[in-house]
Amino acid sequence: QKEVEQDPGPLSVPEGAIVSLNCTYSNSAFQYFMWYRQYSRKGPELLMYTYSSGNKEDGRFTAQVDKSSKYISLFIRDSQPSDSATYLCAMRNNQGGKLIFGQGTELSVKP
Amino acid sequence: KAGVTQTPRYLIKTRGQQVTLSCSPISGHRSVSWYQQTPGQGLQFLFEYFSETQRNKGNFPGRFSGRQFSNSRSEMNVSTLELGDSALYLCASSLLQNTDTQYFGPGTRLTVL
Repeated sequence: QKEVEQDPGPLSVPEGAIVSLNCTYSNSAFQYFMWYRQYSRKGPELLMYTYSSGNKEDGRFTAQVDKSSKYISLFIRDSQPSDSATYLCAMRNNQGGKLIFGQGTELSVKP
Repeated sequence: KAGVTQTPRYLIKTRGQQVTLSCSPISGHRSVSWYQQTPGQGLQFLFEYFSETQRNKGNFPGRFSGRQFSNSRSEMNVSTLELGDSALYLCASSLLQNTDTQYFGPGTRLTVL
């Protein structure tokens, strides 16, 4: 079983929809949680960063961490075609451990 | 400020050969991490270098190695290539080691025939 599980999709939504992307994990030592966005033929770019549990909002993006359920989410409001990309969750413990990535979810926002 | 650069962008090799990939981090960044990305396994951590020393290593065979130079530039080498080594190899730089604000390069697409 992988330490981090993420549904690879693909996920297709109409423009303006609310998108929910999720990851589950098994290692309770994870403390730092990130979401990366990767466009085709590009490297991943950091979207959201959260320490421990709670919510974080940045424009149309909201990241949620529920450590009791070992579940993290990324919500995209008013989705745009330019949001079409692969979204990767990543996490690590607080002792300098390596970043563990989810498989990535491919998102397509249709005009 | 220039981003992370990786060379070459595309590479085709045959089984048994070896390959060296190069990464130039963002100016001032001292940590470089390498990742392998494949459709089946996703993004997997290879190793991290900081101040010319390997600080962390993933679960890859010894055929995968790397080094970092005094100017923070890094190279990774894969010897005795196998078909399964075909992947996108990504380099990420950060200011310090073990930080989560990593900036990725565009990657090197390696195809092993």
